[in-house]
Amino acid sequence: GAGVSQSPRYKVAKRGQDVALRCDPISGHVSLFWYQQALGQGPEFLTYFQNEAQLDKSGLPSDRFFAERPEGSVSTLKIQRTQQEDSAVYLCASSLVTASSMNTEAFFGQGTRLTVV
Amino acid sequence: AQSVAQPEDQVNVAEGNPLTVKCTYSVSGNPYLFWYVQYPNRGLQFLLKYITGDNLVKGSYGFEAEFNKSQTSFHLKKPSALVSDSALYFCAVRDPGAGSYQLTFGKGTKLSVIP
Repeated sequence: GAGVSQSPRYKVAKRGQDVALRCDPISGHVSLFWYQQALGQGPEFLTYFQNEAQLDKSGLPSDRFFAERPEGSVSTLKIQRTQQEDSAVYLCASSLVTASSMNTEAFFGQGTRLTVV
Repeated sequence: AQSVAQPEDQVNVAEGNPLTVKCTYSVSGNPYLFWYVQYPNRGLQFLLKYITGDNLVKGSYGFEAEFNKSQTSFHLKKPSALVSDSALYFCAVRDPGAGSYQLTFGKGTKLSVIP
């Protein structure tokens, strides 16, 4: 399809397990964002890529969270040693946003719902 | 730092009546403002944005929003609500003057349109 695709849609992990969440952005979008949405809250920024460069990772809550986008397309968000407080929906978004086009909107995927038990 | 406030957790409106979902923002410079809608088990869908120019912005599904710089508000409006408009609505802001790429979202407002 033409939209942002995320997989898996649902993930149940045992506490302490490592997980990897995948995002396929819209073709040609140079910018990619990861957001975390806790139940009943708005999305909160985690990290931002422009092509393969991670320009902002200020929102990553701990060093257990790691994101990569090695070829400037598909991105993976990895969470090591998952904890119950990591349970949330993880949203990926892509955009044409660059320094010269910050007025463009971001397009979001359906998200991955992570439940840590 | 940029921030957004949505003062109402829930808004109830009768079908056919006008609706308003409120949003106020705080940025250091001129804001870029966005509204998104989220249906159950779906991702966020873009509705409309204000970048510059006319303060009244028209978007998808008959929605519009008015940018008010003096009140730092960007309220979402629709003249006649539909039951299918029932969903969760998020206001978001980006502060380009601060060099920030990230969108900051409000907590969301649940809109319920009553038949």
